[in-house]
Amino acid sequence: NAGVMQNPRHLVRRRGQEARLRCSPMKGHSHVYWYRQLPEEGLKFMVYLQKENIIDESGMPKERFSAEFPKEGPSILRIQQVVRGDSAAYFCASSPPQRSYRDGGYTFGSGTRLTVV
Amino acid sequence: AQTVTQSQPEMSVQEAETVTLSCTYDTSESDYYLFWYKQPPSRQMILVIRQEAYKQQNATENRFSVNFQKAAKSFSLKISDSQLGDAAMYFCAYKEDSGYALNFGKGTSLLVTP
Repeated sequence: NAGVMQNPRHLVRRRGQEARLRCSPMKGHSHVYWYRQLPEEGLKFMVYLQKENIIDESGMPKERFSAEFPKEGPSILRIQQVVRGDSAAYFCASSPPQRSYRDGGYTFGSGTRLTVV
Repeated sequence: AQTVTQSQPEMSVQEAETVTLSCTYDTSESDYYLFWYKQPPSRQMILVIRQEAYKQQNATENRFSVNFQKAAKSFSLKISDSQLGDAAMYFCAYKEDSGYALNFGKGTSLLVTP
């Protein structure tokens, strides 16, 4: 059981470039959640996805950010035209299809640290 | 919106001693969950302990226990017999009973000295 796998672990992008962050949930988990951790802050919810569906993206910035979780393959968080303020750690969590998230049955990955220079 | 406040940016404890980390939260809900997560330098978010609001009994997990005061909206974490491996950032988090998003505090950095 490999846990939630996020890659890359570190990502450096120049202002204006695109960042693509990947998350492979735990085996048997079909629900994925993305969180962002700004420096000196706690994690903030961004988006909740199930396979091929965005359930709740209320925490996503309105522009430049998008997320997907295709039928096959990892979930992708995409940030277009990155700016310095996007520098943060981005975490992915997953949970099984039944509502075990009800009791907080999440497993977190180790995050991707994005640095925009 | 629910807010979670951790008023101690940093705490220090000697090995084998006991330390308590504070957390308060604001909600109008009666049913919810509270969590403490540990984030070591590896960045991995590790669930330490979980409390259901409808349970009056305080949760315990080995050396970790909580003091849940529902009326005061307080949820502190006590670490007994502290070990060097306990050094990490500790985050308090809140989740509505039927919700899925976790609301995190800003964290407390715990230093454990030999």
